Amino acid sequence: DVKVTQSSRYLVKRTGEKVFLECVQDMDHENMFWYRQDPGLGLRLIYFSYDVKMKEKGDIPEGYSVSREKKERFSLILESASTNQTSMYLCATPGLSGTDTQYFGPGTRLTVL
Amino acid sequence: GQSLEQPSEVTAVEGAIVQINCTYQTSGFYGLSWYQQHDGGAPTFLSYNALDGLEETGRFSSFLSRSDSYGYLLLQELQMKDSASYFCAVLPGYSSASKIIFGSGTRLSIRP
Repeated sequence: DVKVTQSSRYLVKRTGEKVFLECVQDMDHENMFWYRQDPGLGLRLIYFSYDVKMKEKGDIPEGYSVSREKKERFSLILESASTNQTSMYLCATPGLSGTDTQYFGPGTRLTVL
Repeated sequence: GQSLEQPSEVTAVEGAIVQINCTYQTSGFYGLSWYQQHDGGAPTFLSYNALDGLEETGRFSSFLSRSDSYGYLLLQELQMKDSASYFCAVLPGYSSASKIIFGSGTRLSIRP
């Protein structure tokens, strides 16, 4: 079974703090993804990476950056957290059908005060 | 643009059958996927249709008709634990690197 883990289930940070969300997968997949999920807005892609040190912006990259130094680890960085970044953050990696299904990590619920 | 449309909410009775529809406007895609998400949890993969027709996985079945730009998830013998949100998703054929499009989700509520 594919295993995708995220560093925290719940996180509370203050406005202006730098926040790191970590995601690790154990299947040697090249592709990894970061989404945020908000009520009524569904899943929105922030960034994805298709190899080590390779990244591409998703639909809502503003206010975020990413790091992929090792194949198994994909980090999402909030350079200066703001209250509108309070959300559920989900990491994903490709599933059984290759690139067009996904396995998700358990999610990190981030609250920015 | 590309979009997937699902009903926002569906209510059904325990033991019954329910169908959740997904219609899409996207030019070419590899397959249609379905995900389940319980409150507070992450989406989990349920089924995938690469070809037109019905795919059955236990109590859950999924159907795709490319000619009708339509798919559905069928849940049989509903159980209370099936109360969750269900998302359809596609990978557009034009996508250069796996940028999947998700529907906005259907919240399924089950009554005893």
